[in-house]
Amino acid sequence: DAGITQSPRYKITETGRQVTLMCHQTWSHSYMFWYRQDLGHGLRLIYYSAAADITDKGEVPDGYVVSRSKTENFPLTLESATRSQTSVYFCASSDGEAIFAPIYFGEGSWLTVV
Amino acid sequence: QKEVEQDPGPLSVPEGAIVSLNCTYSNSAFQYFMWYRQYSRKGPELLMYTYSSGNKEDGRFTAQVDKSSKYISLFIRDSQPSDSATYLCAMALYMDSNYQLIWGAGTKLIIKP
Repeated sequence: DAGITQSPRYKITETGRQVTLMCHQTWSHSYMFWYRQDLGHGLRLIYYSAAADITDKGEVPDGYVVSRSKTENFPLTLESATRSQTSVYFCASSDGEAIFAPIYFGEGSWLTVV
Repeated sequence: QKEVEQDPGPLSVPEGAIVSLNCTYSNSAFQYFMWYRQYSRKGPELLMYTYSSGNKEDGRFTAQVDKSSKYISLFIRDSQPSDSATYLCAMALYMDSNYQLIWGAGTKLIIKP
């Protein structure tokens, strides 16, 4: 029962570089989410997806791009990384209508932008 | 004012004590209430989930919702060192095809052996 797998778990990159964080889930959940978690802000939604080829902005989408060509994958790309994007990123998924179903999180990807 | 307020702690209690963790909220439209536990360097994991006022019990954990006071609580009985973690509350609503899930910032709990 793999659940949600995120990669890489840890990444150091330079300002201006493109970075892609991968997320793969084995439950065939319809909803998938990307959150970032920072001290003092808690969890903030970056993007979410209700199904393959359907994505929507969350609270803090600027500087990020997502795609969902397959139900099980939901990669997050930082097009030109900035130091303010240093954070821990969590991918999550939910079955059916997210409001009625709990959200399950991956282990997180720790990103440092230098 | 944030929509969901949660004391960041840390809250330190001795092993065996009853722990009370709380969140307050301002939007009376919230319909669903959840508690997540997050260990250090791990993703949050769901502990309790409820949509009605009153109490819901699961083992040593009890979730309490008071919609009239806009206040939710998580009680942990017979606390163990393994309960040391950050506890996040989350609240959700679905209105006019608009989905919204708001998270508290989390309370760090330390159980001293």
